[in-house]
Amino acid sequence: NAGVTQTPKFRVLKTGQSMTLLCAQDMNHEYMYWYRQDPGMGLRLIHYSVGEGTTAKGEVPDGYNVSRLKKQNFLLGLESAAPSQTSVYFCAIRRTPGQGSSEQFFGPGTRLTVL
Amino acid sequence: KNQVEQSPQSLIILEGKNCTLQCNYTVSPFSNLRWYKQDTGRGPVSLTIMTFSENTKSNGRYTATLDADTKQSSLHITASQLSDSASYICVVIPIYGNNRLAFGKGNQVVVIP
Repeated sequence: NAGVTQTPKFRVLKTGQSMTLLCAQDMNHEYMYWYRQDPGMGLRLIHYSVGEGTTAKGEVPDGYNVSRLKKQNFLLGLESAAPSQTSVYFCAIRRTPGQGSSEQFFGPGTRLTVL
Repeated sequence: KNQVEQSPQSLIILEGKNCTLQCNYTVSPFSNLRWYKQDTGRGPVSLTIMTFSENTKSNGRYTATLDADTKQSSLHITASQLSDSASYICVVIPIYGNNRLAFGKGNQVVVIP
């Protein structure tokens, strides 16, 4: 998972608590993504960003907020955690379309449990 | 309905044997199709990428094929190794809305000695 780090690696929350997941990259890619991965399901897009200061909703944005104040960081926030948000969260990065490979590089993941 | 269906869901193979994983998709039009490998507890890593006009792509012991007419792709693993134990995910990138990739649920492969 070169160039993409996620903090924390594991977290246990109680229902109603808030937290922020951090994704940091050192590859200078413009596009960043947050996914969740649940057993028996494919990766689902939560939010994404096509550049510093921009964010957009993905497939499952409800209950999450994001911010991209700096190009290298993409934050995913849970304001009031619910058990349905128990999942493994992955961050991914990608070059701007037309500027090289379209491959998305994934981080190592954050395993979140909401009790 | 999921736009990318993979089969089999899981399989167990003996070390040294070959196996083939299947991916059927409905995404159209698409720009390219990727196979990712995801080791347990890790993020997915790209194995192969094919554009809609390519039929085959190899990466070492991994060979991916694509039939755009039937909307099918396969990933063949030759002479499997214990390190091939992982989930293999088929991903289709649509031409329009290419930030919204279509992910399969993955093929879980376990290689036993």
